[in-house]
Amino acid sequence: DVKVTQSSRYLVKRTGEKVFLECVQDMDHENMFWYRQDPGLGLRLIYFSYDVKMKEKGDIPEGYSVSREKKERFSLILESASTNQTSMYLCASRTARDNYEQYFGPGTRLTVT
Amino acid sequence: SQKIEQNSEALNIQEGKTATLTCNYTNYSPAYLQWYRQDPGRGPVFLLLIRENEKEKRKERLKVTFDTTLKQSLFHITASQPADSATYLCALLMNTGFQKLVFGTGTRLLVSP
Repeated sequence: DVKVTQSSRYLVKRTGEKVFLECVQDMDHENMFWYRQDPGLGLRLIYFSYDVKMKEKGDIPEGYSVSREKKERFSLILESASTNQTSMYLCASRTARDNYEQYFGPGTRLTVT
Repeated sequence: SQKIEQNSEALNIQEGKTATLTCNYTNYSPAYLQWYRQDPGRGPVFLLLIRENEKEKRKERLKVTFDTTLKQSLFHITASQPADSATYLCALLMNTGFQKLVFGTGTRLLVSP
């Protein structure tokens, strides 16, 4: 079974804090993704990585950065958290070889106060 | 940009009936169309994939159709059960550059006993 794990299920941070969200997958997948999910807006892609040390902006990268130093780990960083970054954050991974089925982590519910 | 429309209103049906969910999209045709299930507070789980040259795909009680002329996919659950209650997301894999998934906002299905 593919496992995608995220470091926290719930997180509460203050405005201006630096926030790290960690994601780890155990299936040797090349591609990894960070989404945020908000009511009425669906899943929106923040950043993705197609290989180690490679990263690309998604549709809403402003206010975020990422790091992929190892194949299995993809980190999302909020340099200075703001209240409009309160959301559910979902990490996903997939192989680059076939079907493009994405495996999602359980999500991190981040609240910025 | 690609726009994906799913009925934002919840679909309420009785156990044993067939549930039919709709996914409409604009602009160019995707290479693949995928359906995911998402339970409250959890990450989406992949259900089915259908390619642009396929008309229909089945998996147990699930059936997906793909009409590239109408730019529409229908997702059917036959003999529905209360355990099928969840939000169902449609996602299109774009056929340009790095193949990213674009998600619809999802339709909530409620199956009552």
